[in-house]
Amino acid sequence: DAGVIQSPRHEVTEMGQEVTLRCKPISGHDYLFWYRQTMMRGLELLIYFNNNVPIDDSGMPEDRFSAKMPNASFSTLKIQPSEPRDSAVYFCASSLRGSGLGTQYFGPGTRLTVL
Amino acid sequence: DAKTTQPNSMESNEEEPVHLPCNHSTISGTDYIHWYRQLPSQGPEYVIHGLTSNVNNRMASLAIAEDRKSSTLILHRATLRDAAVYYCILRAHNTGGFKTIFGAGTRLFVKA
Repeated sequence: DAGVIQSPRHEVTEMGQEVTLRCKPISGHDYLFWYRQTMMRGLELLIYFNNNVPIDDSGMPEDRFSAKMPNASFSTLKIQPSEPRDSAVYFCASSLRGSGLGTQYFGPGTRLTVL
Repeated sequence: DAKTTQPNSMESNEEEPVHLPCNHSTISGTDYIHWYRQLPSQGPEYVIHGLTSNVNNRMASLAIAEDRKSSTLILHRATLRDAAVYYCILRAHNTGGFKTIFGAGTRLFVKA
């Protein structure tokens, strides 16, 4: 398996622009997670899905952030409008429910820079 | 939510064992203890997890205190490739789903 795939790997945009981050989870996994990592706040869970349904979005910072999972093989995290403080590395992870709640497999991340 | 406390950094010599501690004094009965590590410029990767008993796998061992308020990740022979940030994580399966709360992590330096 190719693992979790994220695109783009790097994104540079200007404040106010819409940004869409994409994730393809490992085939067969039924959980998908979006995380954000910054130097100040570390690794934060933003939202996670189970069987394509959002379960907990309490980590989403504000209404500018939205996430969708239209099918089992694709998810997006959208920021509209983007702000400089959104600059971070965004990770997608997937897992399969099992013993110990399932190992999470992380993608390589998308480094977002908002100017 | 239960949180974890880890030392900011630790240093080890190559080929020596490393014991990475984690305190989780407010752990609940349904919390699993997971360890992940993050190599430079990569996403976190799973290392090991446990609930009550000590666990071993090819990467490491996990020793869990009897009261479950602390745990220790043991790397039996550190290599330069083990230099990373190690996260001790509590994964709770609450009603309606489960959350992952990452600690600050311990940055492990390995000296040749």
